[in-house]
Amino acid sequence: DAGVTQSPTHLIKTRGQQVTLRCSPISGHKSVSWYQQVLGQGPQFIFQYYEKEERGRGNFPDRFSARQFPNYSSELNVNALLLGDSALYLCASSLAVAGGQETQYFGPGTRLLVL
Amino acid sequence: AQSVTQLGSHVSVSEGALVLLRCNYSSSVPPYLFWYVQYPNQGLQLLLKYTTGATLVKGINGFEAEFKKSETSFHLTKPSAHMSDAAEYFCAVSDLRKAAGNKLTFGGGTRVLVKP
Repeated sequence: DAGVTQSPTHLIKTRGQQVTLRCSPISGHKSVSWYQQVLGQGPQFIFQYYEKEERGRGNFPDRFSARQFPNYSSELNVNALLLGDSALYLCASSLAVAGGQETQYFGPGTRLLVL
Repeated sequence: AQSVTQLGSHVSVSEGALVLLRCNYSSSVPPYLFWYVQYPNQGLQLLLKYTTGATLVKGINGFEAEFKKSETSFHLTKPSAHMSDAAEYFCAVSDLRKAAGNKLTFGGGTRVLVKP
């Protein structure tokens, strides 16, 4: 079975631009989470979606938004890009939302560079 | 609020030697605990997790971790390091409460270098 897939793998943008990152979960998984991993740090939680509804939001500005589609794939949008948004963006999927015990399976990430 | 502290951002071990990676957590409620590994230019792969039951958890690739509630620790060990263990390792905690969903809080990571 295919794992979590993300596109694109790499992206270069300039300050002020907007970017959309895409994620397809493992077949059968209904929950998708997004994380930002700045170089040299651990991943930071951005959003979680389950059954197309937002179930959690991390401490990120409103420039960050996301949505989940009926096929459970997801998009992360970032507007008005800043240099500090340069990072590896990771998508993770899980079967459901079950009080924290569900294993999350991570994709390879999208590496975003903002110039 | 939950937090995770990984002691030592870099660890160097000789091939065949013990690998010990330290993780301490802070949580107002009993947590679920995870160890993930990240190889260069890749995503995160689950090594093992503790939810309930036996406090000594065995994972993939010969790794194991022990949950010690009294010490709020979840240290990761492997008896004999292999060159393929060179990677970055992340300890993470999630909240037992259903409302918290699946949010993972990660430590800063420990990069492991294995010397021949």
